[in-house]
Amino acid sequence: GDSVTQMEGPVTLSEEAFLTINCTYTATGYPSLFWYVQYPGEGLQLLLKATKADDKGSNKGFEATYRKETTSFHLEKGSVQVSDSAVYFCALTLGSGNTGKLIFGQGTTLQVKP
Amino acid sequence: KAGVTQTPRYLIKTRGQQVTLSCSPISGHRSVSWYQQTPGQGLQFLFEYFSETQRNKGNFPGRFSGRQFSNSRSEMNVSTLELGDSALYLCASRSTGNTGELFFGEGSRLTVL
Repeated sequence: GDSVTQMEGPVTLSEEAFLTINCTYTATGYPSLFWYVQYPGEGLQLLLKATKADDKGSNKGFEATYRKETTSFHLEKGSVQVSDSAVYFCALTLGSGNTGKLIFGQGTTLQVKP
Repeated sequence: KAGVTQTPRYLIKTRGQQVTLSCSPISGHRSVSWYQQTPGQGLQFLFEYFSETQRNKGNFPGRFSGRQFSNSRSEMNVSTLELGDSALYLCASRSTGNTGELFFGEGSRLTVL
C-alpha cells in the first residue's frame, strides 16, 4: 500500500547547523508531497509542498525537492535555529490532492541547541 | 480569521464509555478531516466529511463514527472505549480545491482508564 518513511529521530543539532531529514515514499500514481511541522502543544501546520516531479517547495528557509526517480522528498535547511525545534512530518496525498486524506510518516523530532 | 477549534481539549474516560469530540473548521471551509495520533501508530486518517457527507474513511472499527452539520462543524464519536483509544484526536479543515493544505486544530487528548 501507499506509505511514507522518514528517518528515525530524534535529531539533535547545534544552532546554525545544516539540517537534512530524509523522506521516501511508496505510492501508486502521482502523489502530491508535503512537509508539516508540529510545535510543542500545537496542531500541525503546513511547512511546504510540491505537487509534481522536480517541483521544489520552500518556506521559512526550508526546502524540499520532489524526486520521482528516487521517490524522495528530503527536507533541508541551511542554518537551523532554536525556534525550529519541533516534530516534522512528511506526508503524501494521492490523485489531484483534492482530499483531506493524507498519509503521514512517523515524524522526526528535531532539537536545536543554542 | 479564527483557526480550527476543537473541544474539549482534554478528557478522561473509562473503558466501555463513549465520547464525543467537536470540531469547528475555519470559516468558509467545507471539508473536515479527523486523525488519530499515537506514539506507536503515528498519525492515522479516520474520516473526511464534506457538505455533511462522508467522503473517505480510514481503517478503523465501526466504533469510530462522525458526522458533519450544515454549518460545517463536525463531531466524532467513539463508543465502547478501549484502552488503546487513548490518543490525541486532531481535526483539520481545508478549502475545496486546495491541494492538500490542511489546517489543524490543537487536538483533543483522550485518556481511557
